Amino acid sequence: NAGVTQTPKFQVLKTGQSMTLQCAQDMNHEYMSWYRQDPGMGLRLIHYSVGAGITDQGEVPNGYNVSRSTTEDFPLRLLSAAPSQTSVYFCASSYSGTGSYEQYFGPGTRLTVT
Amino acid sequence: AQKVTQAQTEISVVEKEDVTLDCVYETRDTTYYLFWYKQPPSGELVFLIRRNSFDEQNEISGRYSWNFQKSTSSFNFTITASQVVDSAVYFCALSEDPHTGTASKLTFGTGTRLQVTL
Repeated sequence: NAGVTQTPKFQVLKTGQSMTLQCAQDMNHEYMSWYRQDPGMGLRLIHYSVGAGITDQGEVPNGYNVSRSTTEDFPLRLLSAAPSQTSVYFCASSYSGTGSYEQYFGPGTRLTVT
Repeated sequence: AQKVTQAQTEISVVEKEDVTLDCVYETRDTTYYLFWYKQPPSGELVFLIRRNSFDEQNEISGRYSWNFQKSTSSFNFTITASQVVDSAVYFCALSEDPHTGTASKLTFGTGTRLQVTL
């Protein structure tokens, strides 16, 4: 199992550019989420999905789009990048069966918007 | 709304000292889950423990122990005989009842940076 993978690891964008952060998991998890981590603010939920075709907003959804066409993939789209979106982005997945409800996190994508 | 407070921004200790990281939470749910994650300097998030709201037993895992007290809405984490490898940022997090489909929503505290020196 590769677990949760994220690409790219690093990205620099200019203001106004768009891009997609990729996230994939091979654990057949139903739940997937995107968080952003900013200094002194912990991790904040951007969007989440409870299964293919179902997504919902988290705490800080503005400026981001998501879709979930397959169980494995949950891409995060930045529509028009702004310097305020400079952050480290983590994707996470978890399952809903009995047992641990641990969230498995990807290694993160460090995004800089200039 | 849920909230997690980690009032200690940064703690410095000398190796072999014991250290307790505080976590206070707020939720209106009667069923919830609490978590601790470790983020070492390399940046990944490492799961340490999950505790559900019905289980107030303290847990010990090697040098790590956790004290969950619903009466004070706290879920504190103690490292006994700290080591340099314990240096990291530690996050406490709260999740709503996963049976309602919200296991994917974690509310994190702002983290406590622990520095262990020789």
